[in-house]
Amino acid sequence: DGGITQSPKYLFRKEGQNVTLSCEQNLNHDAMYWYRQDPGQGLRLIYYSQIVNDFQKGDIAEGYSVSREKKESFPLTVTSAQKNPTAFYLCASSKGRWYQETQYFGPGTRLLVL
Amino acid sequence: AQTVTQSQPEMSVQEAETVTLSCTYDTSESDYYLFWYKQPPSRQMILVIRQEAYKQQNATENRFSVNFQKAAKSFSLKISDSQLGDAAMYFCAYLMNYGGSQGNLIFGKGTKLSVKP
Repeated sequence: DGGITQSPKYLFRKEGQNVTLSCEQNLNHDAMYWYRQDPGQGLRLIYYSQIVNDFQKGDIAEGYSVSREKKESFPLTVTSAQKNPTAFYLCASSKGRWYQETQYFGPGTRLLVL
Repeated sequence: AQTVTQSQPEMSVQEAETVTLSCTYDTSESDYYLFWYKQPPSRQMILVIRQEAYKQQNATENRFSVNFQKAAKSFSLKISDSQLGDAAMYFCAYLMNYGGSQGNLIFGKGTKLSVKP
């Protein structure tokens, strides 16, 4: 089955630690996205990538980093510079012209700070 | 900047009845897309319906339909014959059709829909 997978489902971060969230898609989509969702809020864009080896900052990129070495993978690293990382993180992908295409979402990763 | 407003934080509907969720948006653009996404307790965002701004005809998808009023910048979602499985958070979202934009979806804060048996 085609789809988007995210792992882990739950992730715990210690103070000063970097953690990486995985996102993989087998839909052959060109564009991939990372969103953050806080309680009672909609989603806010962290980073997006239209093509391999290229990515752009979204509205709230500070304290996060990404890479896009393969078309199907778009991992997100939450660095120690992100002072309030507790949130639900959603990965999405879309095909073709990213500004016209529907975005489809993975199941999400819940990040908690110890 | 574009904004999306969902003025109903919570709604309730009886099973088998019809409910309408409201969404308004603010934009100076004429070419864009609008979406409704559903987020059940599992928290995965699921596409419900999509509307292209250049189309006058309202989109429908089985029991889900929209009332798109471009001049009023209104985009409501109607759910007919409501089912228990429809209970979820519903998010309205806007996407500007412009290659120079950031390409991100602009989301409203959501409406929590409860379905009573």
